Amino acid sequence: QEKVQQSPESLIVPEGAMVSLNCSFSDSASQSIWWYQQHPGKGPKALISIFSNGNKKEGRLTVYLNRASLHVSLHIKDSQPSDSAVYLCAGNNNNAPRFGAGTKLSVKP
Amino acid sequence: NAGVIQTPRHKVTGKGQEATLWCEPISGHSAVFWYRQTIVQGLEFLTYFRNQAPIDDSGMPKERFSAQMPNQSHSTLKIQSTQPQDSAVYLCASSRDNSDYTFGSGTRLLVI
Repeated sequence: QEKVQQSPESLIVPEGAMVSLNCSFSDSASQSIWWYQQHPGKGPKALISIFSNGNKKEGRLTVYLNRASLHVSLHIKDSQPSDSAVYLCAGNNNNAPRFGAGTKLSVKP
Repeated sequence: NAGVIQTPRHKVTGKGQEATLWCEPISGHSAVFWYRQTIVQGLEFLTYFRNQAPIDDSGMPKERFSAQMPNQSHSTLKIQSTQPQDSAVYLCASSRDNSDYTFGSGTRLLVI
């Protein structure tokens, strides 16, 4: 069963900063890694996914996957106060996704 | 597309009572997932269905929790003899092809 670890637990940055979030997973067979954003009182919302080694860019988001080290990172460029939320990493080996504990991000104006 | 609909949004039950939570997946999505979220444990997988058949219930507490999907338009999670430690947000998600998951807003259960 997939185990997912996230760091840091929380992060406070000024508006406009580059944000870097980290995730380690246990199962190298995980077919896909997903990043979700969760605002208070809402369910997680899928942001970006990656399947192959390397990186993927969508708008202000870039995700890097290194299967050899079982590590994935999410980078948010030019962070905005509206990016303040909990960010969850999930691994999926063609079963139900398993989630990390999340990183709470606060972007201060 | 109203998204995944979960009812009720909030439920308060007394210790020992039964609680039933409802989930309506997105039309056309063949898989339904149930998770439980707490501050301490984070987002824990409970169980999931594909084409209404139970596929994996490895996260379900065996004695008091049960889930069903009687038709493609809804799933229920039932907790018998609720305990204070069952207090959590219960989240339902649906997926078309195991590649994109949409969550509901959850049911916040409080057992007093």
